[in-house]
Order: sequence, then C-alpha cells, then structure tokens
Amino acid sequence: DAGITQSPRHKVTETGTPVTLRCHQTENHRYMYWYRQDPGHGLRLIHYSYGVKDTDKGEVSDGYSVSRSKTEDFLLTLESATSSQTSVYFCAISVSSGAHGYTFGSGTRLTVV
Amino acid sequence: EDKVVQSPLSLVVHEGDTVTLNCSYEVTNFRSLLWYKQEKKAPTFLFMLTSSGIEKKSGRLSSILDKKELSSILNITATQTGDSAIYLCAVDAGGTSYGKLTFGQGTILTVHP
Repeated sequence: DAGITQSPRHKVTETGTPVTLRCHQTENHRYMYWYRQDPGHGLRLIHYSYGVKDTDKGEVSDGYSVSRSKTEDFLLTLESATSSQTSVYFCAISVSSGAHGYTFGSGTRLTVV
Repeated sequence: EDKVVQSPLSLVVHEGDTVTLNCSYEVTNFRSLLWYKQEKKAPTFLFMLTSSGIEKKSGRLSSILDKKELSSILNITATQTGDSAIYLCAVDAGGTSYGKLTFGQGTILTVHP
C-alpha cells in the first residue's frame, strides 16, 4: 500500500472544541486533499494542497482550516466543532495533477456530541 | 459548478446477475473520469477513462465513457458477494484544478448469495 496514514482513526469530541486531524504520507507526493463523506453526498472536498504552504478551499470549507508546513503532513482543523461536522474524513494524495487518481487514507470517523 | 450524478443510488441483486451502474457529469472542462470501489474503508481505484481511453476492462468489470452523452457506465458481470460495496464515480476537470476530483453520491451495491 502507498504510505498514507491518518490519525486518529476514531474520535468523539464535544461541540465547541477544536479538533485537528492529521494526514501523513511517505510518498513525497505534491498534492494532498481532505474530503468528508456523508450518506447521500458521496465525497466532498474540504481543502486541498498543491505544495508546502500552498492550500486552497474546496466546496465545503466553512468551519475548517488546513496547514501544510512539510510535504509529508497535511493537517485539518475544525476550529469549533459542530454536530454537522460529524462525518468520516478521508485524506488523499496524488502524484501529479490529472495522473492516476488518488490514493486514500483509511479515514477518520469523527463524532461531535 | 461541476456536478456528478450517479444512478441508481442503491441496487440489490443475486449472485450471478449482471449490473450496470451509471454516472453522468457536467463540468466546465474534462480531463478524466474515474471509478472507485469502497468496501469498509478507503475507496480503491478501479478505472480511469479519458478521451484517448474510453473503454477499460478488468476481469468481470468493464467501463465505457460516452463523451457525447457526458456519461459513463460500469458493468459487473457474474456478480459475487465480494462485489458488495459502494461504487463511486469522480471527474477530474483538469486545467488548473490541481487534480481535484468531483465525486458523485455513490451507488450502494448489495449482492446476495
């Protein structure tokens, strides 16, 4: 398997608390993405990165921020978690734009109570 | 805004049946269309279709891209219980999209023995 890991795998947090999810890759890929998956919505893009310190918003970015200070790490932060952010979060990497699609991490199941 | 729609949203069949999953898209630019299979965890790559490669086949799975109709189908013949999964269709709009994929809602396929 490609070297991409997400942590934590599961997390339960309270409304209003900040939460950070981590995506770590050992493939030295330039492009990294955060998606959330909810029933009936497929995968929706939250934020993406096209290089160190180069990030941009996706279609559902409200309430989320990201940082990429190193090629291998892409962090997703929920500034103040809400119940609507209960979801499964997937990180993905791509070797180059428009190449052979993504390799996904195993996902983080986040529950906000 | 780019849009990908899959149908049906769910499908229940018996082993040995043949199924056809549909994906239609509306994007400002088109580079490729991808199919993924998702079992319990992360989606795994099945096929990528482009203007220069509109038909792909792997074992019992095959996929065709119809650029005129802006759609694709994924066929699975002689289904097995191991084919039970969510099948995701995604489109890469190319250009300056930085490899971002727009996903459909997914089709949940259940294969009964």
